[in-house]
Amino acid sequence: NAGVTQTPKFRVLKTGQSMTLLCAQDMNHEYMYWYRQDPGMGLRLIHYSVGEGTTAKGEVPDGYNVSRLKKQNFLLGLESAAPSQTSVYFCASRGPRTGDVLSYEQYFGPGTRLTVT
Amino acid sequence: EDQVTQSPEALRLQEGESSSLNCSYTVSGLRGLFWYRQDPGKGPEFLFTLYSAGEEKEKERLKATLTKKESFLHITAPKPEDSATYLCAVRATGNQFYFGTGTSLTVIP
Repeated sequence: NAGVTQTPKFRVLKTGQSMTLLCAQDMNHEYMYWYRQDPGMGLRLIHYSVGEGTTAKGEVPDGYNVSRLKKQNFLLGLESAAPSQTSVYFCASRGPRTGDVLSYEQYFGPGTRLTVT
Repeated sequence: EDQVTQSPEALRLQEGESSSLNCSYTVSGLRGLFWYRQDPGKGPEFLFTLYSAGEEKEKERLKATLTKKESFLHITAPKPEDSATYLCAVRATGNQFYFGTGTSLTVIP
């Protein structure tokens, strides 16, 4: 049981390049989230998904797109990278329940450190 | 506007010196307050969920409490391995979560 994994761990892009970050979870969780973490800003929600085939915007969605074609995967895309997108990106997932109890705690991946020059 | 504020930003303790971290929040319709621990270069790790004022949760040297306006993470007799950044998050209406900027804790042997 690997939990939440993220690919790649590190990436350097030039302004205008595109890339996709992959998040995978093996806990059969319905909900998945993409956050970015910047110094002094805390974790900010980019996009999230409440189930396969559904996505929604979070707090800072501009410049990003997402897809959830399979329940276990959540992809984050940058179509034209900008230096302002230099950050550490975290994926998280959560299930609706832990046993018989409604559950809202999130399980995070190890992060992707992205630098845009 | 939903907001989460954590204090202090950084805290240095001697081993065994107990203290508390604060998380104050203003949200419309709190549906849960969460504490996470984050080690350098890693993702946040879940610690506690609190749902209603007066609720308390404990785990080893950590105890989380909740009032109508704030939460405290009490650390009793900390050890160097408790050094980490502690994050607070709230869930308001909907499926979004709002995180504070964290408190960086250093426990000196």
